[in-house]
Amino acid sequence: KNQVEQSPQSLIILEGKNCTLQCNYTVSPFSNLRWYKQDTGRGPVSLTIMTFSENTKSNGRYTATLDADTKQSSLHITASQLSDSASYICVVSAWGGATNKLIFGTGTLLAVQP
Amino acid sequence: EAGVTQFPSHSVIEKGQTVTLRCDPISGHDNLYWYRRVMGKEIKFLLHFVKESKQDESGMPNNRFLAERTGGTYSTLKVQPAELEDSGVYFCASSQARNPYEQYFGPGTRLTVT
Repeated sequence: KNQVEQSPQSLIILEGKNCTLQCNYTVSPFSNLRWYKQDTGRGPVSLTIMTFSENTKSNGRYTATLDADTKQSSLHITASQLSDSASYICVVSAWGGATNKLIFGTGTLLAVQP
Repeated sequence: EAGVTQFPSHSVIEKGQTVTLRCDPISGHDNLYWYRRVMGKEIKFLLHFVKESKQDESGMPNNRFLAERTGGTYSTLKVQPAELEDSGVYFCASSQARNPYEQYFGPGTRLTVT
């Protein structure tokens, strides 16, 4: 069964600190993995996308890593800001087939406090 | 460029009533997707349109849900009759034919069935 699991479920950090979110997946055959940021009341917005051959991808203060062998990914946020408070969702796509549906994790709810 | 828009943003209806959700994709995006997030669960795929054709509707919960995309532009998702378990946030996303995995999400419609 295709599944995406994330940890922790929620996280509170102080402004300026770093944090790392984890994602494990069992989606097969794997196509790509994305991290989305979802602000309250908004739709998910893509932060990074990685294919099988990519190990790391950065987008500003966000750095995602991918280990396709262990089927794990992480999202590292550097020098957190209050605006980073949101839900971070790991999303995996399976290769092939006529559709391009995405398989979502339940997300990590991050709260950055002053 | 306008993003994906959804209407209404919130809807509260009684069990047994009918509700129609609307999604306007980004102009020129052939692919349109519907997703749903019920309380405490991950976002799940409902169905995928390519232009006006249903490519994959394997995620539709039952025959009380009807999606249409007449003319290949905007889409509607009708729930009739609504049940309590239909409560959740319904997201629409769209993508270009040449880059189907780059899906842009709308803000969602929060549906509450009482």
